[in-house]
Amino acid sequence: DSGVTQTPKHLITATGQRVTLRCSPRSGDLSVYWYQQSLDQGLQFLIQYYNGEERAKGNILERFSAQQFPDLHSELNLSSLELGDSALYFCASSANPDTDTQYFGPGTRLTVL
Amino acid sequence: SQQGEEDPQALSIQEGENATMNCSYKTSINNLQWYRQNSGRGLVHLILIRSNEREKHSGRLRVTLDTSKKSSSLLITASRAADTASYFCASGANLFSGGYNKLIFGAGTRLAVHP
Repeated sequence: DSGVTQTPKHLITATGQRVTLRCSPRSGDLSVYWYQQSLDQGLQFLIQYYNGEERAKGNILERFSAQQFPDLHSELNLSSLELGDSALYFCASSANPDTDTQYFGPGTRLTVL
Repeated sequence: SQQGEEDPQALSIQEGENATMNCSYKTSINNLQWYRQNSGRGLVHLILIRSNEREKHSGRLRVTLDTSKKSSSLLITASRAADTASYFCASGANLFSGGYNKLIFGAGTRLAVHP
């Protein structure tokens, strides 16, 4: 158990819908990262937050957005869902935003039908 | 495109044998991390090696890093059936290249250890 929690574990929805994925980092970690794992693209970095502020952006679509709240939990919002958005979405956290080990949550499996 | 590339893509060995997986990356790094994933489940952190380190050990794991060749290797000694999983290397981009430690993952090596 990494100490990072993600909800829900599974999500099945239809194209065009909007979903919210939630992540709670390890106690004391200020930095949260989101990654997407799909069969064709592999594991890709989406976005990073540090202490409530966006710190780095990766291959995140404009239909996707995220935020980190004052209690440090983070949410990833996916809208206008397409079939190709079906993937495992991982959240990770670290203490230091620039150099430390990232600990991954169990992931949310999103299926878009 | 993904920065890291693992080799081999798949590896099948017998229990007790050693397993070696290689990883290459493209730009300067702050650190390189190895992760393990069991069949579509969460990623488990195995080991982190910093750019100024050349070798690191953790139990049956040995990681090397050659920054001149932009490559790393993971050695699992005396493998067990429970080591069956996918193994990913992830390069932590250098702070000064604006990477802010975002991890760039390779495609992974699927390791199968047979009893």
